[in-house]
This record gives sequence, structure tokens and C-alpha cells, in this order.
Amino acid sequence: GAVVSQHPSRVICKSGTSVKIECRSLDFQATTMFWYRQFPKQSLMLMATSNEGSKATYEQGVEKDKFLINHASLTLSTLTVTSAHPEDSSFYICSATTGTESYNEQFFGPGTRLTVL
Amino acid sequence: GQNIDQPTEMTATEGAIVQINCTYQTSGFNGLFWYQQHAGEAPTFLSYNVLDGLEEKGRFSSFLSRSKGYSYLLLKELQMKDSASYLCAVMDSNYQLIWGAGTKLIIKP
Repeated sequence: GAVVSQHPSRVICKSGTSVKIECRSLDFQATTMFWYRQFPKQSLMLMATSNEGSKATYEQGVEKDKFLINHASLTLSTLTVTSAHPEDSSFYICSATTGTESYNEQFFGPGTRLTVL
Repeated sequence: GQNIDQPTEMTATEGAIVQINCTYQTSGFNGLFWYQQHAGEAPTFLSYNVLDGLEEKGRFSSFLSRSKGYSYLLLKELQMKDSASYLCAVMDSNYQLIWGAGTKLIIKP
């Protein structure tokens, strides 16, 4: 149980275009979803936290107008990278919690490799 | 500030035992997690400790000392597939995960 999927797994786009990444909890309702970015050989960096039906909470230094997050349902959150630039190339990972476990374990999606040319 | 420290890289031999240490300084503590991450993949959950002591799960064990701000992940009977990065993460008083940079474990035959 507790499977999280992400789509697409890889995307290559031209500079200036927008890219949407979907994160779905397949067999549970996710009260909270998290979006991370990971650059090569670095740790996960939390970008934002989103709860269903409310605005996402962005971490300091993350531009909310550039990284649009929509958490429309308890099983789906989307991250849209607007006007992507080469420096946005990274591994984007989402995770979700059920909110039912005492320690709120995060279940991770398989990640999306974004390459901006 | 909040800080998680773990070694950048470790090397061990197949069949041996390796211990990966993690020290932390965070605002509050609501548990410590260990995750395994293979290159190009998302992290997968290994263990969770919130009380002092050792948690054993098959070949993997995790230890926590809250007073020392210290944890370790112990891997026994190492296999080649254990080559991966191991991430230590602490949940702070706001229930937010603070991540270490990860320890790259290289297993040699």
C-alpha cells in the first residue's frame, strides 16, 4: 500500500516553455503533499508543502509564481514549472502523507527528471 | 540553525558490516528517518526512530540517542545491491523533515 506515482518520469523542454508534473497517491488519500528538488550529489530540498484545497506553503527562496502548485484533490497534486530555464534542470520528487500514522511517514514518488535546453 | 551531518561517502566490502553515522541539531524532535536512494530514483523508507535505542529490521538496524543528537544505520551482510545513498532526516517541532546530504555507500566485491 501507500504508492505514489509521478508523471512524466523524464521531460526535456526548451527554455521558456512550461512543464507540468503530476503526483498521485494511488491507494490512499493524501492529506499533505510535498514537492522536493534534488540537484546532483545533493540532498533533497523542500520546495513547498500543499494541503488539499488550500494554497501551498513555499519554502524561503522558492518563487511561487514560477513553481505553481495545485492540490485539487486528496489524490492529485501538480507542479508547473513556468518559463523554465536551464538552471531549473533538476530531479523533482513529490511525497505524500496520510496523516494517520503517528509519525506521518512520507511516501515518495519515483521522481521526474527535468532537463531544460 | 538546523543541521544534519553524515559522512559524504563510505566504502565497504560485500558480506561485511558497515555503520553510517548521523548527528543532528534541530529545533525540536519528532523522530529520525533513514531512507535509501539509488542513483536516479526516489528515496525509499528504511527506518524510523523516535525513542532511544536500537530498532532491528532484517539486515538493517537503526540506533538513536536523543541526548547526544546521534543516530546510526547499521547494515549487515552487505550485498552489491546495497550500493546507494543513505539519507538521514529529522522531523522537527513543526513536523517538517530536515534532510542530511546523504552518504554514498560503495560496496566492493
